[in-house]
Amino acid sequence: AQSVTQLGSHVSVSEGALVLLRCNYSSSVPPYLFWYVQYPNQGLQLLLKYTSAATLVKGINGFEAEFKKSETSFHLTKPSAHMSDAAEYFCAVLYSSASKIIFGSGTRLSIRP
Amino acid sequence: DGGITQSPKYLFRKEGQNVTLSCEQNLNHDAMYWYRQDPGQGLRLIYYSQIVNDFQKGDIAEGYSVSREKKESFPLTVTSAQKNPTAFYLCASSGGTGDNQPQHFGDGTRLSIL
Repeated sequence: AQSVTQLGSHVSVSEGALVLLRCNYSSSVPPYLFWYVQYPNQGLQLLLKYTSAATLVKGINGFEAEFKKSETSFHLTKPSAHMSDAAEYFCAVLYSSASKIIFGSGTRLSIRP
Repeated sequence: DGGITQSPKYLFRKEGQNVTLSCEQNLNHDAMYWYRQDPGQGLRLIYYSQIVNDFQKGDIAEGYSVSREKKESFPLTVTSAQKNPTAFYLCASSGGTGDNQPQHFGDGTRLSIL
């Protein structure tokens, strides 16, 4: 079955440290891939999307993600964490044969002062 | 500004009562979606609609109903048959399905039982 897996339900990093949030998808056929961020009591906001134009995708707020077909991964990174990055992050995939996006279970990012 | 408006932001339901959550978009999107989010969990799809006057059940449709009479509106009714309705409900829309169109989300409605 088509799926998306986010490793680590909670990640904590120090302010200024590297942020790495992991996402793996299940299909050998590259899907469309997205990262969303959710702040408390709000909806989801699109951070970035992969659409096969480039393997390294830059998004808003200094985030970027790299598509690696050999690893079926689309990990989200940010070189230097800021306190305002504390939120829930969701990876999502859309397979061309499907009519709906599949969301991962989310990773809560905490930033230590 | 274009976007998705969900109302109300907070809603309380009594036993045996049906309640309706509103979702309106002015993005001219064809597809609309309803998700349920429980604490510490991801999003679960309740219903989705790819075009006016048509909609499909998602993964957890039991106890819910929808309508899509207008392109910009996709209301969700939580019926008395839904025994555990307390959750955060999110509405989304996209320019289409089966392509690379991302979903745009409203700010959600938090439903609680009185």
